[in-house]
Amino acid sequence: GAVVSQHPSWVICKSGTSVKIECRSLDFQATTMFWYRQFPKQSLMLMATSNEGSKATYEQGVEKDKFLINHASLTLSTLTVTSAHPEDSSFYICSASGTGSSYEQYFGPGTRLTVT
Amino acid sequence: SQQGEEDPQALSIQEGENATMNCSYKTSINNLQWYRQNSGRGLVHLILIRSNEREKHSGRLRVTLDTSKKSSSLLITASRAADTASYFCATSAINAGGTSYGKLTFGQGTILTVHP
Repeated sequence: GAVVSQHPSWVICKSGTSVKIECRSLDFQATTMFWYRQFPKQSLMLMATSNEGSKATYEQGVEKDKFLINHASLTLSTLTVTSAHPEDSSFYICSASGTGSSYEQYFGPGTRLTVT
Repeated sequence: SQQGEEDPQALSIQEGENATMNCSYKTSINNLQWYRQNSGRGLVHLILIRSNEREKHSGRLRVTLDTSKKSSSLLITASRAADTASYFCATSAINAGGTSYGKLTFGQGTILTVHP
């Protein structure tokens, strides 16, 4: 149980275009979803936290107009990288946590974004 | 910002040996978690230790937590080549109400290589 999927697993796009990444909880209801980015050989950096039905909370330094997050249902959150640039190339990982007292987050397999 | 620091940054051992990784953090925490990441993949949750616990075991894993020193260690006993991966600690900060914010702050990670 507690499976989180991401789509696509990898994407290549041209500079200036927008890319949407989906994060789905397959077998549980995710009240909160988190979006991270990870540069090569580095750790995960939290970008934003989203609760179903409300606006995402962005971490300091993350441009909310560039990284649009939507959490419209309890099983789906999307991250849209708008007007992508080569420096946005990274590994984007989502995680989800459900209801209850468990603090465990379930991570998706990640999406590799390359902007050319 | 990253609050966790891990050492060593890289660890290379032979199969059968034990591997110990350390993690330090800066703020009060609700819990500390350890994750594993194979190259280019998502994260796998290994173990969670709460702030009122000092030691926890799971199979070949042993985690300790010293809140007075704000540090934790992960011990993998009788390592196998399949344990080769990056290992991250992640802390969940405590809020004014004494519960967790939910979001995780990751350490820099330790790259473990186990040679067959």
